[in-house]
Amino acid sequence: EVQLVESGGGLVQPGGSLRLSCAASGFTFSTYSMNWVRQAPGKGLEWVSYITTWSSTIYYADSVKGRFTISRDNAKNSLYLQMNSLRAEDTAVYYCATVGNAYGMDVWGQGTTVAVSS
Amino acid sequence: QSALTQPASVSGSPGQSITISCTGTSSDVGSYNLVSWYQQHPGKAPKLMIYEVSKRPSGVSNRLSGSKSGNTASLTISGLQAEDEADYYCCSYAGGSTFVVFGGGTKLTVL
Repeated sequence: EVQLVESGGGLVQPGGSLRLSCAASGFTFSTYSMNWVRQAPGKGLEWVSYITTWSSTIYYADSVKGRFTISRDNAKNSLYLQMNSLRAEDTAVYYCATVGNAYGMDVWGQGTTVAVSS
Repeated sequence: QSALTQPASVSGSPGQSITISCTGTSSDVGSYNLVSWYQQHPGKAPKLMIYEVSKRPSGVSNRLSGSKSGNTASLTISGLQAEDEADYYCCSYAGGSTFVVFGGGTKLTVL
């Protein structure tokens, strides 16, 4: 079964850090570029970051640039998001997703919740 | 990069057809045939329903269709069913480091 499972979310104080993980199974992870997408409570989807198969190209949304770092370990079939200097507005469910044909995101994880609050 | 513009809500009765619009700019929707649509039920992860403007992934109902004209993409659902009630998001490739931009989402209610 093709599956993505996120972990690492939790409650953190403003200014703190968290590292999210996304474990892939059921497909050849190293052949897929990956995205992180987030959804604040009651709000829409927001693209966060993109990484190509061998990490040669990485992009970030302006809202997280300089604070978040995306990475992957193809040997471990895993995607990561290191989040530093967290703000209240980073509170959201964070999803990892594969980037398929024509940039369609065809496999999504179930999401992990990040809450930034004092 | 501003979000793509979608109506906040649309509704229709079972069996009817509805269309959700997604308006961008010449920098995103208007420049690339790389628009995708996602369905999201409450508390669930999004699901890809349309990619490359009008292509359906395997397993997605042929009651869904996509199109594009200029800076506006559209998703049409025909033969509405209760299970279609969900939030729908469009997404367009925007090139370079902007990468992709989502619409604000449309809540579809099946009356």
